[in-house]
Amino acid sequence: AQTVTQSQPEMSVQEAETVTLSCTYDTSENNYYLFWYKQPPSRQMILVIRQEAYKQQNATENRFSVNFQKAAKSFSLKISDSQLGDTAMYFCAFMNRDDKIIFGKGTRLHILP
Amino acid sequence: DTGVSQDPRHKITKRGQNVTFRCDPISEHNRLYWYRQTLGQGPEFLTYFQNEAQLEKSRLLSDRFSAERPKGSFSTLEIQRTEQGDSAMYLCASSSYTSGSHQETQYFGPGTRLLVL
Repeated sequence: AQTVTQSQPEMSVQEAETVTLSCTYDTSENNYYLFWYKQPPSRQMILVIRQEAYKQQNATENRFSVNFQKAAKSFSLKISDSQLGDTAMYFCAFMNRDDKIIFGKGTRLHILP
Repeated sequence: DTGVSQDPRHKITKRGQNVTFRCDPISEHNRLYWYRQTLGQGPEFLTYFQNEAQLEKSRLLSDRFSAERPKGSFSTLEIQRTEQGDSAMYLCASSSYTSGSHQETQYFGPGTRLLVL
C-alpha cells in the first residue's frame, strides 16, 4: 500500500525567508503523480504544485518549487520569499493510476511578521 | 468557472439522525470524489464517480454511508444513524478524466463540517 509521510508537524519562519517542507512516500509503482496542497485556516484546499513521476525536471510555480528525488522517494516543497498569506496547512499527496489521492498528515506552516 | 461547491458548509446533528450533503463539481468535470478529513489529519478517500457510475468505495465507507450521482452532475453523500465518530470535514473534489491521457488534477470544494452531538 502506498503511504505518504510528512515528518514535520509544524514549522515557523520569518516573512521573506525560505522554508522547505519534507515529504517521503512509499510505492512500488513507476508511474504516479505527486502534489502539494495548501489548506489555509477555515478555507478550502488548493493545489500548490504538481509533479509527474516520469518527468525528471522539478516542477516550479512562482515562489514554490519542489525537489523530487524518485530513487529516494522524496518530494520536498521549497517556498521562497515567504509571505504572511502562505500560512496554512500543507499536505503532500500521492496519486497513482487508480486516481485516488493519498495524503500525508500535513505540516502546519506559520509565517511570522 | 465557479469551482467546486458544497452544501451545507456546516451541519450539527444529534447522534442517530440522518444527514445528507451535496457537492456540485466543476461543470465539465466527469469525475467526482468524496474524502473525509478528521481534525489534525489529511483527507482520506471515501468513494468516487465517473459520470453517474460509482467506481470504487473505501473500506472506510460503512453501510451507513451512501453516495449517489444520479445524473452525472451533482452528488450527494448520506450518512444514516450518525455516530459521534462521524464528526469530520467531508470534502468533495472533481477532475476531468480522459482515457489514455495523463491524470488530471483534482480540485477541492470548501467542505462540509459535520458535528455529531
